[in-house]
Amino acid sequence: GNSVTQMEGPVTLSEEAFLTINCTYTATGYPSLFWYVQYPGEGLQLLLKATKADDKGSNKGFEATYRKETTSFHLEKGSVQVSDSAVYFCALDPEGAQKLVFGQGTRLTINP
Amino acid sequence: DAGVTQSPTHLIKTRGQQVTLRCSPKSGHDTVSWYQQALGQGPQFIFQYYEEEERQRGNFPDRFSGHQFPNYSSELNVNALLLGDSALYLCASSWAAADEFFGPGTRLTVL
Repeated sequence: GNSVTQMEGPVTLSEEAFLTINCTYTATGYPSLFWYVQYPGEGLQLLLKATKADDKGSNKGFEATYRKETTSFHLEKGSVQVSDSAVYFCALDPEGAQKLVFGQGTRLTINP
Repeated sequence: DAGVTQSPTHLIKTRGQQVTLRCSPKSGHDTVSWYQQALGQGPQFIFQYYEEEERQRGNFPDRFSGHQFPNYSSELNVNALLLGDSALYLCASSWAAADEFFGPGTRLTVL
């Protein structure tokens, strides 16, 4: 079956620190991979995505590379800001089925 | 351009009751999906509607049903509510297999 495993949180960092949130997946076929962000009291916002192996998704200073050999899609940012505090979800879409499978989420808190 | 809207924002029901949640998709979108997000968990896919038909369904019981109207808006109905149905219900819309846009959700509390 299809599943996503994220590193457990919560994660607390100081402003300007380097961020990595690990994500690994299990899937049949060739899924698309996503990172979504959920700010307090809001719905999910698409942060970035990658649709095939070795693709790099990027947005707002965040990056993630689709690694088929390690079935991973780790989220990174070089210098985090207080405004990055949110819950981050890794997700996959099995072969464009638009039936997203989410990880459990990682709560990130950035202290000034 | 309005994004995905959902109503109501919050809802409190008691066990055994029925509830209807509503979703208006982003302008130009024709596909609506519903997800359940329990507290502290990632969203889980309930079902998807396209051309007024249920196109895909996740692992949810028949107590969960839906409908899509000709204007592409959608409803999620849950019968015989259980305590475990308490969650944030998210609606997402898309067009032609493109990226999904999520609404802010409806927070359902079952007492």
